[in-house]
Amino acid sequence: GQQVMQIPQYQHVQEGEDFTTYCNSSTTLSNIQWYKQRPGGHPVFLIQLVKSGEVKKQKRLTFQFGEAKKNSSLHITATQTTDVGTYFCAGNNAGGTSYGKLTFGQGTILTVHP
Amino acid sequence: DADVTQTPRNRITKTGKRIMLECSQTKGHDRMYWYRQDPGLGLRLIYYSFDVKDINKGEISDGYSVSRQAQAKFSLSLESAIPNQTALYFCATSGLAVSYNEQFFGPGTRLTVL
Repeated sequence: GQQVMQIPQYQHVQEGEDFTTYCNSSTTLSNIQWYKQRPGGHPVFLIQLVKSGEVKKQKRLTFQFGEAKKNSSLHITATQTTDVGTYFCAGNNAGGTSYGKLTFGQGTILTVHP
Repeated sequence: DADVTQTPRNRITKTGKRIMLECSQTKGHDRMYWYRQDPGLGLRLIYYSFDVKDINKGEISDGYSVSRQAQAKFSLSLESAIPNQTALYFCATSGLAVSYNEQFFGPGTRLTVL
Protein backbone atom coordinates (compact mmCIF):
# COMPACT_ATOMS: atom_id res chain seq x y z
CA GLY A 1 0.00 0.00 0.00
CA GLN A 2 0.90 3.63 -0.19
CA GLN A 3 3.49 4.85 2.28
CA VAL A 4 4.32 8.40 3.22
CA MET A 5 7.59 8.99 5.02
CA GLN A 6 8.32 12.23 6.83
CA ILE A 7 11.60 13.47 8.26
CA PRO A 8 12.90 14.51 10.65
CA GLN A 9 10.85 13.07 13.49
CA TYR A 10 12.01 15.80 15.86
CA GLN A 11 13.49 19.26 15.35
CA HIS A 12 14.65 21.65 18.03
CA VAL A 13 15.42 25.20 16.96
CA GLN A 14 16.18 28.51 18.56
CA GLU A 15 13.57 31.17 18.01
CA GLY A 16 14.43 32.98 14.80
CA GLU A 17 16.02 29.97 13.10
CA ASP A 18 14.50 28.35 10.04
CA PHE A 19 12.83 24.94 9.98
CA THR A 20 12.10 22.45 7.22
CA THR A 21 10.26 19.14 7.19
CA TYR A 22 10.27 16.75 4.24
CA CYS A 23 7.72 14.29 3.01
CA ASN A 24 8.17 11.43 0.51
CA SER A 25 5.51 9.16 -0.94
CA SER A 26 6.04 5.69 -2.36
CA THR A 27 3.45 6.45 -5.05
CA THR A 28 2.43 9.41 -7.18
CA LEU A 29 -0.06 11.62 -5.41
CA SER A 30 -3.12 13.50 -6.64
CA ASN A 31 -2.41 16.14 -4.07
CA ILE A 32 -0.78 16.60 -0.72
CA GLN A 33 -2.12 18.32 2.35
CA TRP A 34 -0.34 19.71 5.38
CA TYR A 35 -1.71 19.81 8.91
CA LYS A 36 -0.51 21.31 12.18
CA GLN A 37 -1.26 19.86 15.58
CA ARG A 38 -0.57 22.08 18.58
CA PRO A 39 0.47 20.32 21.80
CA GLY A 40 -2.62 18.76 23.35
CA GLY A 41 -4.70 19.63 20.32
CA HIS A 42 -6.00 18.07 17.16
CA PRO A 43 -4.66 18.32 13.60
CA VAL A 44 -5.74 21.42 11.72
CA PHE A 45 -5.55 21.80 7.96
CA LEU A 46 -2.98 24.26 6.67
CA ILE A 47 -2.86 23.91 2.90
CA GLN A 48 -3.25 21.66 -0.13
CA LEU A 49 -0.88 21.40 -3.09
CA VAL A 50 -2.15 19.94 -6.33
CA LYS A 51 0.07 20.87 -9.26
CA SER A 52 3.47 19.46 -10.08
CA GLY A 53 6.17 21.88 -8.85
CA GLU A 54 3.63 24.02 -7.02
CA VAL A 55 4.86 26.47 -4.40
CA LYS A 56 2.53 28.20 -1.97
CA LYS A 57 3.25 30.66 0.82
CA GLN A 58 1.40 31.52 3.98
CA LYS A 59 3.24 34.34 5.72
CA ARG A 60 6.45 32.68 7.00
CA LEU A 61 5.46 29.20 5.76
CA THR A 62 6.47 27.97 2.30
CA PHE A 63 5.07 24.73 0.91
CA GLN A 64 6.45 22.93 -2.13
CA PHE A 65 5.21 19.98 -4.17
CA GLY A 66 7.76 18.05 -6.18
CA GLU A 67 7.81 17.81 -9.94
CA ALA A 68 7.00 14.10 -9.82
CA LYS A 69 4.24 14.69 -7.24
CA LYS A 70 5.89 12.24 -4.87
CA ASN A 71 7.53 14.60 -2.41
CA SER A 72 6.81 17.81 -0.58
CA SER A 73 8.33 20.13 1.94
CA LEU A 74 7.28 22.73 4.47
CA HIS A 75 9.72 25.50 5.33
CA ILE A 76 9.21 27.98 8.15
CA THR A 77 11.32 31.13 8.08
CA ALA A 78 12.37 32.73 11.36
CA THR A 79 10.47 30.44 13.70
CA GLN A 80 8.45 31.81 16.57
CA THR A 81 7.30 30.12 19.76
CA THR A 82 3.80 29.99 18.29
CA ASP A 83 5.11 27.60 15.63
CA VAL A 84 5.58 24.76 18.13
CA GLY A 85 3.66 21.62 17.39
CA THR A 86 3.62 18.61 15.13
CA TYR A 87 3.47 19.09 11.38
CA PHE A 88 1.98 16.33 9.26
CA CYS A 89 1.92 15.83 5.55
CA ALA A 90 -0.90 13.72 4.13
CA GLY A 91 -1.01 12.28 0.65
CA ASN A 92 -4.09 11.71 -1.44
CA ASN A 93 -3.87 8.82 -3.88
CA ALA A 94 -3.85 9.53 -7.58
CA GLY A 95 -7.27 8.54 -8.88
CA GLY A 96 -9.33 5.56 -7.82
CA THR A 97 -12.46 5.25 -5.75
CA SER A 98 -10.60 5.95 -2.52
CA TYR A 99 -9.97 9.59 -3.41
CA GLY A 100 -10.22 11.56 -0.22
CA LYS A 101 -8.58 8.88 1.89
CA LEU A 102 -5.39 10.40 3.18
CA THR A 103 -2.18 8.65 4.14
CA PHE A 104 -0.40 10.62 6.83
CA GLY A 105 3.31 10.89 7.39
CA GLN A 106 4.70 10.23 10.85
CA GLY A 107 4.88 13.93 11.61
CA THR A 108 7.69 16.25 12.66
CA ILE A 109 7.60 17.56 16.20
CA LEU A 110 8.93 21.12 16.27
CA THR A 111 10.22 22.66 19.47
CA VAL A 112 11.18 26.33 19.48
CA HIS A 113 13.43 27.56 22.26
CA PRO A 114 12.99 31.26 23.12
CA ASP B 1 -13.63 22.49 15.92
CA ALA B 2 -16.84 22.26 17.95
CA ASP B 3 -18.47 21.04 14.73
CA VAL B 4 -16.90 17.61 15.31
CA THR B 5 -17.37 16.20 18.78
CA GLN B 6 -16.06 13.04 20.36
CA THR B 7 -17.18 11.24 23.49
CA PRO B 8 -15.72 10.36 25.85
CA ARG B 9 -12.65 12.60 25.88
CA ASN B 10 -10.77 10.29 28.21
CA ARG B 11 -11.34 6.67 29.10
CA ILE B 12 -9.49 4.16 31.21
CA THR B 13 -10.57 0.56 30.86
CA LYS B 14 -9.35 -2.95 31.50
CA THR B 15 -8.20 -5.65 29.14
CA GLY B 16 -11.11 -7.59 27.66
CA LYS B 17 -13.71 -4.87 28.09
CA ARG B 18 -15.88 -3.65 25.21
CA ILE B 19 -15.46 0.03 24.49
CA MET B 20 -17.34 2.37 22.17
CA LEU B 21 -16.05 5.75 21.09
CA GLU B 22 -18.57 8.08 19.51
CA CYS B 23 -18.22 10.85 16.97
CA SER B 24 -20.82 13.38 15.89
CA GLN B 25 -20.59 16.21 13.39
CA THR B 26 -22.75 19.16 12.48
CA LYS B 27 -20.80 20.07 9.34
CA GLY B 28 -23.09 18.15 7.01
CA HIS B 29 -20.14 16.19 5.62
CA ASP B 30 -20.70 12.83 4.02
CA ARG B 31 -17.27 11.37 4.78
CA MET B 32 -16.07 10.31 8.20
CA TYR B 33 -12.86 8.70 9.42
CA TRP B 34 -11.35 7.13 12.52
CA TYR B 35 -7.62 7.42 13.21
CA ARG B 36 -5.33 6.46 16.03
CA GLN B 37 -2.25 8.44 16.94
CA ASP B 38 0.78 6.88 18.57
CA PRO B 39 4.08 8.64 19.27
CA GLY B 40 6.38 8.37 16.27
CA LEU B 41 3.76 6.68 14.11
CA GLY B 42 1.65 9.63 13.09
CA LEU B 43 -2.01 9.20 12.30
CA ARG B 44 -3.06 5.77 11.10
CA LEU B 45 -6.43 5.16 9.50
CA ILE B 46 -8.63 2.55 11.19
CA TYR B 47 -11.89 2.79 9.23
CA TYR B 48 -13.54 5.27 6.93
CA SER B 49 -17.00 5.81 5.53
CA PHE B 50 -17.87 7.85 2.45
CA ASP B 51 -21.61 7.72 3.11
CA VAL B 52 -24.07 6.02 5.43
CA LYS B 53 -24.05 2.74 3.51
CA ASP B 54 -20.31 2.70 2.86
CA ILE B 55 -17.80 1.30 5.35
CA ASN B 56 -14.17 0.61 4.49
CA LYS B 57 -11.23 -0.80 6.39
CA GLY B 58 -8.17 1.33 6.83
CA GLU B 59 -4.61 0.17 7.38
CA ILE B 60 -5.09 -1.02 10.98
CA SER B 61 -8.68 -2.28 11.30
CA ASP B 62 -7.95 -5.53 13.17
CA GLY B 63 -9.52 -5.47 16.64
CA TYR B 64 -11.88 -2.62 15.74
CA SER B 65 -15.35 -2.28 14.26
CA VAL B 66 -17.44 0.72 13.29
CA SER B 67 -21.03 1.73 12.79
CA ARG B 68 -22.35 4.64 10.72
CA GLN B 69 -25.66 5.21 12.41
CA ALA B 70 -26.47 8.34 10.43
CA GLN B 71 -24.70 10.82 8.23
CA ALA B 72 -23.71 12.74 11.34
CA LYS B 73 -22.65 9.83 13.56
CA PHE B 74 -19.77 7.38 13.27
CA SER B 75 -18.84 5.17 16.22
CA LEU B 76 -15.75 3.04 16.79
CA SER B 77 -15.87 -0.11 18.91
CA LEU B 78 -13.16 -2.18 20.51
CA GLU B 79 -14.84 -5.52 21.09
CA SER B 80 -12.24 -6.77 23.54
CA ALA B 81 -9.74 -4.09 24.44
CA ILE B 82 -6.05 -4.93 24.76
CA PRO B 83 -3.19 -2.79 26.15
CA ASN B 84 -1.63 -2.06 22.74
CA GLN B 85 -4.84 -0.26 21.80
CA THR B 86 -3.87 2.44 24.26
CA ALA B 87 -3.66 5.54 22.07
CA LEU B 88 -5.19 8.86 21.14
CA TYR B 89 -8.14 8.36 18.81
CA PHE B 90 -9.36 11.01 16.39
CA CYS B 91 -12.52 11.21 14.36
CA ALA B 92 -12.44 13.36 11.23
CA THR B 93 -14.87 14.47 8.54
CA SER B 94 -14.62 15.77 5.01
CA GLY B 95 -17.02 16.68 2.27
CA LEU B 96 -16.82 16.84 -1.49
CA ALA B 97 -18.31 20.30 -1.42
CA VAL B 98 -15.50 21.59 0.78
CA SER B 99 -13.01 23.60 -1.20
CA TYR B 100 -9.96 21.46 -0.60
CA ASN B 101 -11.62 18.27 0.60
CA GLU B 102 -9.59 18.77 3.75
CA GLN B 103 -10.35 16.82 6.87
CA PHE B 104 -11.74 18.38 10.04
CA PHE B 105 -10.74 16.63 13.22
CA GLY B 106 -12.53 16.22 16.51
CA PRO B 107 -10.76 16.95 19.82
CA GLY B 108 -9.70 13.32 20.30
CA THR B 109 -10.32 10.57 22.83
CA ARG B 110 -7.44 9.42 24.98
CA LEU B 111 -7.92 5.71 25.68
CA THR B 112 -5.90 3.75 28.20
CA VAL B 113 -6.25 -0.03 28.38
CA LEU B 114 -4.82 -1.55 31.54
